[in-house]
Amino acid sequence: AQSVAQPEDQVNVAEGNPLTVKCTYSVSGNPYLFWYVQYPNRGLQFLLKYITGDNLVKGSYGFEAEFNKSQTSFHLKKPSALVSDSALYFCAVRGPSNTGKLIFGQGTTLQVKP
Amino acid sequence: DGGITQSPKYLFRKEGQNVTLSCEQNLNHDAMYWYRQDPGQGLRLIYYSQIVNDFQKGDIAEGYSVSREKKESFPLTVTSAQKNPTAFYLCASIGGGNYMNTEAFFGQGTRLTVV
Repeated sequence: AQSVAQPEDQVNVAEGNPLTVKCTYSVSGNPYLFWYVQYPNRGLQFLLKYITGDNLVKGSYGFEAEFNKSQTSFHLKKPSALVSDSALYFCAVRGPSNTGKLIFGQGTTLQVKP
Repeated sequence: DGGITQSPKYLFRKEGQNVTLSCEQNLNHDAMYWYRQDPGQGLRLIYYSQIVNDFQKGDIAEGYSVSREKKESFPLTVTSAQKNPTAFYLCASIGGGNYMNTEAFFGQGTRLTVV
């Protein structure tokens, strides 16, 4: 069965510092991996995805993510955090079989302090 | 504008009542999903549908029912059998010929509270 783990409930960083939000996954075969962001009482917004190709994927708002097949990880990164990046971040995975299921991690709250 | 619309934004249910949450999309997407969000538990999949007149149970389908009579609509009914329905409910859709590698679009959510 496919699954996603986000090991940190909360990540705290100072504005201007780099940030990393961790994600590991378990799926048979090659995965399709996604990052989403959620602001309070709102739906999720898509940030970026890894399907195939380069392991470093660039997305919206200066975010990027690195796919590491050997470590089954897909960590979200940003070189310089902004206070406005403070939100809830979700990693998601869909397996290669055509089941259509999109499975999410439990989410990580990012707090960027001025 | 194209998008996915959930209504109502807030919903209050009395114990023992069934309630239906609406999800409509005008993106011409084939696949639609319902998720439940509880604090600290992320998003859990309730039901999903890849095509009209077909749907599959997700991980927490007990106490819920869905229908997919039209491509644009995927309503979720929370039945009285759902013992703890208070949560934030999110609907999503995915389109494209190979939607396996396509991102999902989300509605703004419905917050259901049992009173």
